[in-house]
Amino acid sequence: QSVLTQPPSASGTPGQRVAISCSGSSSNIGSNTVNWYQQLPGTAPKLLIFRNNQRPSGVPDRFSGSKSGTSASLAISGLQSEDEADYYCAAWDDSLDGPVVFGGGTRLTVL
Amino acid sequence: QVQLVQSGAEVKKPGASVKISCKASGYTFTGYYIHWVRQAPGQGLEWMGWINPSSGGTNYTQKFQGRVTMTRDTSISTAYMELIRLRSDDTAVYYCARVRAATTRSSFGFWGQGTLVSVSS
Repeated sequence: QSVLTQPPSASGTPGQRVAISCSGSSSNIGSNTVNWYQQLPGTAPKLLIFRNNQRPSGVPDRFSGSKSGTSASLAISGLQSEDEADYYCAAWDDSLDGPVVFGGGTRLTVL
Repeated sequence: QVQLVQSGAEVKKPGASVKISCKASGYTFTGYYIHWVRQAPGQGLEWMGWINPSSGGTNYTQKFQGRVTMTRDTSISTAYMELIRLRSDDTAVYYCARVRAATTRSSFGFWGQGTLVSVSS
């Protein structure tokens, strides 16, 4: 049971826009910024979005992030086949459970 | 360019210990915290803790308190994660990750390639 809640799966066709949600609480998303990671099959995670909506250099502007209250969202526009991956949200947490909590991950399928 | 290279796969019996290394290059090792994250087969990411390579200070999540030790050797820019009293549910890929920026609560901007630890009798 992950501290942050994500849908287990999402899908879209090439060119579509998809959004992945991430729900938390006041101790994590509500009081800290959200980061998103992309994990392609068989590889290590890669930072996709940091501080809610910032893209590291090299990440296409098709990827965008937002946060409101205790929830966050990752949007992917102009979906491409190479976007098929697992996506994880993460945030620091002010509770005793530990400073960093992850969502359970969302598997994105490009149909 | 920043690189984190981890040690190779390990096979261990229940009750044994494992120590994984994470060799950093391309930046000042003592300038950025290193975190450890694990991923059980077919499962999500689980944060284990961090080490401050400069001071050696650590912070572990409660779940692993008493079983995990994170250390570093600044002379060779390498961080280590040791997990003792291994159980079958410790079977996972273990990743080291460097924070993106030298600020508090930074994201994980750089990851090692992962080390598979298999625990089986």
